[in-house]
Amino acid sequence: EAGVTQFPSHSVIEKGQTVTLRCDPISGHDNLYWYRRVMGKEIKFLLHFVKESKQDESGMPNNRFLAERTGGTYSTLKVQPAELEDSGVYFCASSQGLPYTGELFFGEGSRLTVL
Amino acid sequence: DQQVKQNSPSLSVQEGRISILNCDYTNSMFDYFLWYKKYPAEGPTFLISISSIKDKNEDGRFTVFLNKSAKHLSLHIVPSQPGDSAVYFCAASAPGNQFYFGTGTSLTVIP
Repeated sequence: EAGVTQFPSHSVIEKGQTVTLRCDPISGHDNLYWYRRVMGKEIKFLLHFVKESKQDESGMPNNRFLAERTGGTYSTLKVQPAELEDSGVYFCASSQGLPYTGELFFGEGSRLTVL
Repeated sequence: DQQVKQNSPSLSVQEGRISILNCDYTNSMFDYFLWYKKYPAEGPTFLISISSIKDKNEDGRFTVFLNKSAKHLSLHIVPSQPGDSAVYFCAASAPGNQFYFGTGTSLTVIP
């Protein structure tokens, strides 16, 4: 069974540009989460989808970030326009069953560098 | 404001000895706790969990202890092996709420 896959693995863009990160969760997992880790800091929650619905987006930093999960399958996270402080590793995770009651399966992350 | 804290950024242990990783939390509503392990350039992988109704959970060489009164949990690895060298994150959640992660502790097991 394929795990959580994320693309791209690394993206380097200039301030003001746009980047779109993609996450394919494990098949059948209704819950999809986005997290971000800035170097040396905690893994911070961004948002949570249940199928195609945003269940909790309280962690989204501001309106430059837009997440979608069309059809309840893969998800995209768009940053537009990117700022220097958006640099970090963006992790996607998925889980089945009730959210926050079991383990999360993480992807390898998308490293974003904003210059 | 961090609700889950791992105050030791790094830890070095000799192979065969015990590794003890610590985690403190501030939210008394947290009732489910997990430890994740992360190798470089990989995503975190689940290691072990504990519910607040227990004070200990064991899985092979890994044991997690929970002290609710102190709002403290620890992960014991014994015996430690070089392959255990990784960054370890603790995480906690309240019912129906998001997981909060710590900043991680980098464990190095010296052969």
